[in-house]
Amino acid sequence: DADVTQTPRNRITKTGKRIMLECSQTKGHDRMYWYRQDPGLGLRLIYYSFDVKDINKGEISDGYSVSRQAQAKFSLSLESAIPNQTALYFCATEAGASGELFFGEGSRLTVL
Amino acid sequence: AQTVTQSQPEMSVQEAETVTLSCTYDTSESDYYLFWYKQPPSRQMILVIRQEAYKQQNATENRFSVNFQKAAKSFSLKISDSQLGDAAMYFCAYCHGGATNKLIFGTGTLLAVQP
Repeated sequence: DADVTQTPRNRITKTGKRIMLECSQTKGHDRMYWYRQDPGLGLRLIYYSFDVKDINKGEISDGYSVSRQAQAKFSLSLESAIPNQTALYFCATEAGASGELFFGEGSRLTVL
Repeated sequence: AQTVTQSQPEMSVQEAETVTLSCTYDTSESDYYLFWYKQPPSRQMILVIRQEAYKQQNATENRFSVNFQKAAKSFSLKISDSQLGDAAMYFCAYCHGGATNKLIFGTGTLLAVQP
């Protein structure tokens, strides 16, 4: 089983729908991240959490929210999806403050 | 703010040859880390190599090595004896040292390996 698991792997939805992307990890890391990948733009940070009670906005947090339900779980929500949120979303964990990230397999979201 | 620049959107190399991917970064910090991540078609992000800024010696992992030029803020990745399985998107990434570090990625270089 993967150490960092994202669900769903792929999702197609319509404009205005609420979407939740879930991430769970078995690595025991406190730090978790949500990134968005777009062609030509690389990976951009949406939200990050350094422990269960710590949530921080990244560079592109508008239109997104997160919930850190437990050390192992970090969910990303789109309250009202729009087409320009079509992207590949990655969850990642970090070993301490090492900078080394462990990624999930990504969730491809398409908003029509 | 720190930035990471990869100026080569696409590169191509013949199998068994050597290729170098470029990366430059901008920071005023003295304590930081640099990384190269690989994303094959399976889309899984995989750490290739890591470099601590305080280390003068260039990091090496098997066929992968870096040329870290701290004064020039340059961090290139050299892949020797290229294999078909090296075909992927490669991302350069930076994070500063300390408790509040976050990884900042470049825009990526798509590497094709020709048989």
